[in-house]
Amino acid sequence: DIQMTQSPSSLSASVGDRVTITCRASQSINTYLNWYQQKPGKAPKVLIYGASSLLSGVPSRFSGSGSGTDFTLTISSLQPEDFATYYCQHTYIAPLNFGQGTRLEI
Amino acid sequence: QVQLQQWGAGLLKPSETLSLTCAVYGGSFTGYYWSWIRQSPAKGLEWIGEINHSGSTNYNPSFKSRVTISVDASKNQFSLSLNSVTAADSAMYYCARLHGITAPYWGQGTLVTVSS
Repeated sequence: DIQMTQSPSSLSASVGDRVTITCRASQSINTYLNWYQQKPGKAPKVLIYGASSLLSGVPSRFSGSGSGTDFTLTISSLQPEDFATYYCQHTYIAPLNFGQGTRLEI
Repeated sequence: QVQLQQWGAGLLKPSETLSLTCAVYGGSFTGYYWSWIRQSPAKGLEWIGEINHSGSTNYNPSFKSRVTISVDASKNQFSLSLNSVTAADSAMYYCARLHGITAPYWGQGTLVTVSS
C-alpha cells in the first residue's frame, strides 16, 4: 500500500499569508495526486487533481506542484473562507489512500 | 457535468448489513472506476474500494472480508454492501469517481449510524 503523509498536521496563519502544505507518498505516484478542502459538516471539495490541475471554479490563489513522492499545495494569499482542513489523496493504484489532513486555523 | 447521487439506510443495528447505492448522471459511466469512501472522527478518510462498468473490483484490505461492491451498468449505478457492521462502522459514506489523473467527483454523502 502507498501511504500518504501530510505536514504539518495543523497550521496557524493570518489573512493574506502565503501558506504551503506538504504531502509525501511512500513510493512514487507520478502526478496521481488530488487535494481537497473540507469544512465542518461538509463533503470534501476538490481543489486540485493530477498534482497541479486546478478544478474549474477554484480560485487561482490555490496551486499544486510536485511529482514522484513530494507534493505541495500553496495558497498564495489566505482569505477568511480558506480556514478549513486540507487532505491529499493518491489515485495511482488501489488502495487510494488519503493523508491524515492539515488543519488550517487562524 | 458529472453528478453522483447516493442513497441508503442511515440507521443500522450491530451485525446488520450496510447497503448504499450511487447513481451517476452526466458524463461517461464506462471507462472509469467508481469508488466508495467513508469518514469518521476516529479513522479520518478511508477509501473502501472501487468498481468499473464491467464489474472489476479493487478493495482496501482493511475491508476486504466484509465488503462487496457491485454495479448495474444499465442504470449507471453502483452499490456498496458491508456486512456484520459494528459501532466502528458509523461514519459518513461517500461515493465518488476517483480515476487516474482526471477530475474527481463526489456524492453528497450518507450518514450511517450503527446502534442497538
